[in-house]
Parts: sequence; C-alpha cells; structure tokens
Amino acid sequence: NAGVTQTPKFQVLKTGQSMTLQCAQDMNHNSMYWYRQDPGMGLRLIYYSASEGTTDKGEVPNGYNVSRLNKREFSLRLESAAPSQTSVYFCASSDSRGNQPQHFGDGTRLSIL
Amino acid sequence: AQKVTQAQTEISVVEKEDVTLDCVYETRDTTYYLFWYKQPPSGELVFLIRRNSFDEQNEISGRYSWNFQKSTSSFNFTITASQVVDSAVYFCALIPDDYKLSFGAGTTVTVRA
Repeated sequence: NAGVTQTPKFQVLKTGQSMTLQCAQDMNHNSMYWYRQDPGMGLRLIYYSASEGTTDKGEVPNGYNVSRLNKREFSLRLESAAPSQTSVYFCASSDSRGNQPQHFGDGTRLSIL
Repeated sequence: AQKVTQAQTEISVVEKEDVTLDCVYETRDTTYYLFWYKQPPSGELVFLIRRNSFDEQNEISGRYSWNFQKSTSSFNFTITASQVVDSAVYFCALIPDDYKLSFGAGTTVTVRA
C-alpha cells in the first residue's frame, strides 16, 4: 500500500548542477502535482498534470521543468540548481479536480550549496 | 486568485486543553473546496477533512470538529481534549473547481504533557 513514492528522500547539490526528482503513485489517479515547502510559507504549487499527457504551471514554476512520463509517474527537473531552490519538495496525486483530496508523498529534502 | 490566511503561527497548550485553529479564505469562485491537512514532526502530510462551498454542515469526528461559516469565509478546526500526539503543523487549504490548491502558512500546535 505504497500510495505516492518520492525518490530520493534527501539530496545535496552544488549551484549549477542538475537533478530530477522522481514521483510515482499506485492509486490510478489522473492528476499529479509538485509543491515546494519553505519555512513559514506553507506549500506552493510548482507544476501540475491534470491528466496523462498534460502539464501546467502553478504558482512558482520558474527554474523547473516537469514530465508526465505515464499515468503513474511525474518527474520534476532542476536544470541549473540555485540556492533559492533549497526546499522540501512534495509530490501529490488526486483522482481528478478540486473536489478530491490530494495524497502526498513523504517529501524530498533538497539542499543547494 | 485565492488566498488562505492562518493568523495563528504557533499555539502551545497543556494536554487535555481544547485547541481551535483559525482559517480565513478569499476566493471569487462560487464553487470551491476547503481542506485541513496535518503535518506531524515526521514530515508527511495527512488529509483530515474536506468541505465544499455548498455544505455548511459542521461535523464532529472523534476529538476533531470543524466550523465552516461561508458568511465570514472561515473554516475553523478544533481539537478537543488535546493529546501529545496532536503536536503537528496544521494547514488549511482552498481549491476552486480546478487543480490549484492554495495552502495557508500553517499553525504549529505543541501539546505539552
């Protein structure tokens, strides 16, 4: 009963390095999301994928790219990491639109030096 | 655009006291959904409750209760007879009938034995 699985759980990068965060869900959900959580700011939506084959920008998309590889997997890529992207990243999934709760992974703690 | 405000940054209580968390929201949508999520010290996000904008019926579930008042745009959450295990960050969140979930900044609840 895995739910939403994120890898890795922790990562340290140097400024300018690239990295892909992986997310997979086994609940057959149509929609998937990437958030970042910074102290005192709650969670902010980076990108979302309403359904397989579609992606859209959220509140803070700059510096990120996403790929909805298939219905199960939604990856987040940092092409050139910056210290401002130090954060905890959460992936989530839901059955469809807003009336369904989103189920979250355990998060990836990313530090950029 | 929507906004969620949790004015209380931190609340500290002694075990068995009641705790009420305030949430005020702003939205121009007539159809929207409100959520409360819990984030314990282990870091995962746990879905607690969902309400839609047409359902103002308040609810009690065990030691948890919710008070949704559309007239004041508030969706408050109460923990009755708090326990140490209730110590967590609690997030209120709002989503219109689409995919963009907006979180409040969170309220940290500390329950002391």
